[in-house]
This record gives sequence, structure tokens and C-alpha cells, in this order.
Amino acid sequence: AQSVTQPDIHITVSEGASLELRCNYSYGATPYLFWYVQSPGQGLQLLLKYFSGDTLVQGIKGFEAEFKRSQSSFNLRKPSVHWSDAAEYFCAVGAKEYGNKLVFGAGTILRVKS
Amino acid sequence: EPEVTQTPSHQVTQMGQEVILRCVPISNHLYFYWYRQILGQKVEFLVSFYNNEISEKSEIFDDQFSVERPDGSNFTLKIRSTKLEDSAMYFCASSGDFRAGNTEAFFGQGTRLTVV
Repeated sequence: AQSVTQPDIHITVSEGASLELRCNYSYGATPYLFWYVQSPGQGLQLLLKYFSGDTLVQGIKGFEAEFKRSQSSFNLRKPSVHWSDAAEYFCAVGAKEYGNKLVFGAGTILRVKS
Repeated sequence: EPEVTQTPSHQVTQMGQEVILRCVPISNHLYFYWYRQILGQKVEFLVSFYNNEISEKSEIFDDQFSVERPDGSNFTLKIRSTKLEDSAMYFCASSGDFRAGNTEAFFGQGTRLTVV
């Protein structure tokens, strides 16, 4: 069965510090990968996506993610966190072999301290 | 920028009542979805809809649930007889065909359903 693991439930970083949120997946197929962000009371906003090609993808708000097939990972990074980045972040995975549905990780809540 | 809109944003209903959650997907998208997120848990796929029929559904999507595209713009999720455990945030989404390549699912703001 397909699964997505976000091992960190909560992460706290200082404003201006770098950030890395982890995502590992288990899929019997070539995945396409997404990171979404959810602010309180808001919907899911797409940060970035990977389908093929360059394994380092750039997204909105200064985020990037790197697909590492050998590690089945798609970690999200940002070099300098802003207070407005505080939110919940979800990794999601799909695959052609599994139709159009996405499987989500449990989410990581990011807190930013000033 | 195109967006998926959902109404209402919050719905409170009594156990056993029927509820209909409404969504307006992005107009040129062909695939429509419902996901739900029980408080404190992960976002879960419920159903996908393409070409006026269900293309895939999860084991959560039992006979109590149904989806419909009653006209050219709306996409609805009906829960026939709500249970306490149906309380959750329900997200509608729409997309192109992932199997065709580079696309993404756009999500609505969600409807928070509270069953009392």
C-alpha cells in the first residue's frame, strides 16, 4: 500500500534560521510529489511539485524540495524562515499507476520563534 | 488566479441528518475530488469524479456518501445520515489528468462539518 511519512509532528525554528521538513514515501511506482501548506482556517495551498526532470524543484515563497529516489524522500527546505511561514505543511504523493488520487502525510506543524 | 470555492465554510448538523457540501471546481478541470481531514489527523482521499462518474473511491466512501455534478459548474458531496465520526474538514479539489503529466490539484478552503 502507498504511504507517506512525515516523521516530525512539530518543528520550531527561529526566524531567519534554515528549515528542512522531511517526507518519505513508500510507493510501488514512479511517484509525483507535492508539498502543500495550510494556514489556520485556510485551505491547502500548493508550494511546489515534482513530476520528472530536475530533482531539485523551486516553489513559491522561497521554498525548494529535492527528490531523492534512492532514499524515497522529498524533503522541503527554506534557507531563511520568516514568521509568516508558521503553518502546517503536508507532503502528498501520487502515481500514474494509482490514478489521480493523492496520499497525504500526517503533516508537520511549523512554529517560528522571534 | 483560478480557485476552487466551497460552501458553506462551516456546517453544524444533528446526527442522522442529511448534509450536502457544495463546491465549484475550476472551470477547465476535468477531475474532481473530495478529501476529508478529521481533526488532528491526515488528509484522506474520499472519491474522484471524471466524465460524470466516480473514477475511484476509498473504503471510507461507503453507501452513506454520494457525489454529483448537477450542472456544469457545481460538484456536491452528500452524506445521507450523518454520524458523529463524520465530523471533519471536507476539502474539494480539481485538477487536470496527472497521468498526462505536469498538473496539480487545486484545493478549496474546506467545509468544516460538525455533527452533534
